[in-house]
Amino acid sequence: NAGVTQTPKFRVLKTGQSMTLLCAQDMNHEYMYWYRQDPGMGLRLIHYSVGEGTTAKGEVPDGYNVSRLKKQNFLLGLESAAPSQTSVYFCASRSTHQPQHFGDGTRLSIL
Amino acid sequence: GDSVTQMEGPVTLSEEAFLTINCTYTATGYPSLFWYVQYPGEGLQLLLKATKADDKGSNKGFEATYRKETTSFHLEKGSVQVSDSAVYFCALSVNTGNQFYFGTGTSLTVIP
Repeated sequence: NAGVTQTPKFRVLKTGQSMTLLCAQDMNHEYMYWYRQDPGMGLRLIHYSVGEGTTAKGEVPDGYNVSRLKKQNFLLGLESAAPSQTSVYFCASRSTHQPQHFGDGTRLSIL
Repeated sequence: GDSVTQMEGPVTLSEEAFLTINCTYTATGYPSLFWYVQYPGEGLQLLLKATKADDKGSNKGFEATYRKETTSFHLEKGSVQVSDSAVYFCALSVNTGNQFYFGTGTSLTVIP
């Protein structure tokens, strides 16, 4: 009963490097979300998707790109990492009119 | 726009004390309201929810009532335990939209 799985759990990058965070859900949910969590700021929405092949910008999309090629997967990309992107990243999914289910997070440090 | 404001922490209580964490909201349309809990090193977990005015959500001894007249959804528990130590987030979603809006979180520490 996996739910929402995020990989990797931890990563350290150097400024300017690129990487992709993977979110996978096995609940056949239509909606998927990427958030970042920073001290004192709660959760801020980066991008979200309302279905396979669709994506939309959230509150803080700059510096990130996403793709939803398969319904079960939602990828978050950093093309050129910056220290300001050091954060804990959470993925969530849900079905229509239901609460979100969250993954355990990816802790990302940019040096 | 839609938003949630919750009481700032951190909150420190003794075991068996009464807990209230305040949450108020601003929303267009008819929001559903949620409380999520985050234990250290983990993701957020749904604690309780209410989908219409005057509904009361409850779970694990926690309760919150959807008050449309005061636009509030305060979280309460009559007797907290050490295991309740966590960060609590109030959130809303509007049925006409796709996004959830979270408060900034309130850290609770319960001491024996």
